[in-house]
Amino acid sequence: KAGVTQTPRYLIKTRGQQVTLSCSPISGHRSVSWYQQTPGQGLQFLFEYFSETQRNKGNFPGRFSGRQFSNSRSEMNVSTLELGDSALYLCASSLDQTNTEAFFGQGTRLTVV
Amino acid sequence: GESVGLHLPTLSVQEGDNSIINCAYSNSASDYFIWYKQESGKGPQFIIDIRSNMDKRQGQRVTVLLNKTVKHLSLQIAATQPGDSAVYFCAENTSDFNKFYFGSGTKLNVKP
Repeated sequence: KAGVTQTPRYLIKTRGQQVTLSCSPISGHRSVSWYQQTPGQGLQFLFEYFSETQRNKGNFPGRFSGRQFSNSRSEMNVSTLELGDSALYLCASSLDQTNTEAFFGQGTRLTVV
Repeated sequence: GESVGLHLPTLSVQEGDNSIINCAYSNSASDYFIWYKQESGKGPQFIIDIRSNMDKRQGQRVTVLLNKTVKHLSLQIAATQPGDSAVYFCAENTSDFNKFYFGSGTKLNVKP
């Protein structure tokens, strides 16, 4: 069974632009979470979606947003990019609503120049 | 100002030895924990999990121990191999849907 798929793997954007990242969870999984990983802050929770509803949001500005589709695929969007948004963005897939195994994709490496 | 990179503690072990990686968590309400392994350029890989109603769980070559009294989690790797070299993270959850809090990680360096 296929794992979590994130596209694209690498992305270079300039300040002020916006970007959309995509995540396809493991087949049958309905929960998708997004994390930002940087050398300075480690792994930080962005938001989590279950059945197309955002159930939890981390402490990030409103420039960071996301959505989930009826097939459980999820996208996250970052608008008005800043240099500090350069990071590895990771998507995690879980089967159920809470306290279940979370499996990560390979991530999207975003570089803002 | 300029952000400072997290200082990752490093554990160096000889191939074939056992490794013990520790993690302290802060929220006494956390009731589900996962250990992840992350190799350079890859996403975190699920290793083993444990719920708060247990204090020990074993997998293949790995054992997780949970001490709720002192809020401490450890990952034991038996007969460590060069392929085990990676950064290891513990993650905790407080039944807050699937929102995990991650530790800063420990770098395991296995010497052949």
